[in-house]
Amino acid sequence: DTGVSQDPRHKITKRGQNVTFRCDPISEHNRLYWYRQTLGQGPEFLTYFQNEAQLEKSRLLSDRFSAERPKGSFSTLEIQRTEQGDSAMYLCASSLAGRRNTGELFFGEGSRLTVL
Amino acid sequence: AQSVTQLGSHVSVSEGALVLLRCNYSSSVPPYLFWYVQYPNQGLQLLLKYTSAATLVKGINGFEAEFKKSETSFHLTKPSAHMSDAAEYFCAVSASNTDKLIFGTGTRLQVFP
Repeated sequence: DTGVSQDPRHKITKRGQNVTFRCDPISEHNRLYWYRQTLGQGPEFLTYFQNEAQLEKSRLLSDRFSAERPKGSFSTLEIQRTEQGDSAMYLCASSLAGRRNTGELFFGEGSRLTVL
Repeated sequence: AQSVTQLGSHVSVSEGALVLLRCNYSSSVPPYLFWYVQYPNQGLQLLLKYTSAATLVKGINGFEAEFKKSETSFHLTKPSAHMSDAAEYFCAVSASNTDKLIFGTGTRLQVFP
């Protein structure tokens, strides 16, 4: 069990560029979550998947944001036409839904985005 | 709908002193409650969780929290602070039938020698 891994850990981009983040969850976990955390705030829910199905999206997830989990394993979060307000830490978490569900989310170390 | 409120964005204590971080929750269904810790430039690590079993929950690193339904509270305590406890602490709530977490705004704990 290698834990949740995220890539890249840091991304600096210019306004208007597209960026993509990748998350690899714990291998047997069927749920995957994306959160956004800005300085001095708690993580805010963006979206989550159960297997490959995207079951919920927050109103924070504008149409410039898209998340996928094509084979129910890793996930990508793409931000198109980045804006300075997108600068934040993007956190990925995974969990195991079902009878062995403990309610706990396991978090990666995050991908920090800076938009210049 | 669910939410948590963390009272005090910053708490400072001396090493060896009692740590008390406050969390109040709002939930229309029986809640699951969590405390997570975040060290600089790292992800969140679970300290402890309440999932409707014992109301006094013990976690890692000597932390514990007590679920008080009458007060809608889930305060985090540690009898004696250590320098290594300096971090950001987040309280979170989820409905008992889902693991989507709603977080508070966090409390930064500083520990002075």
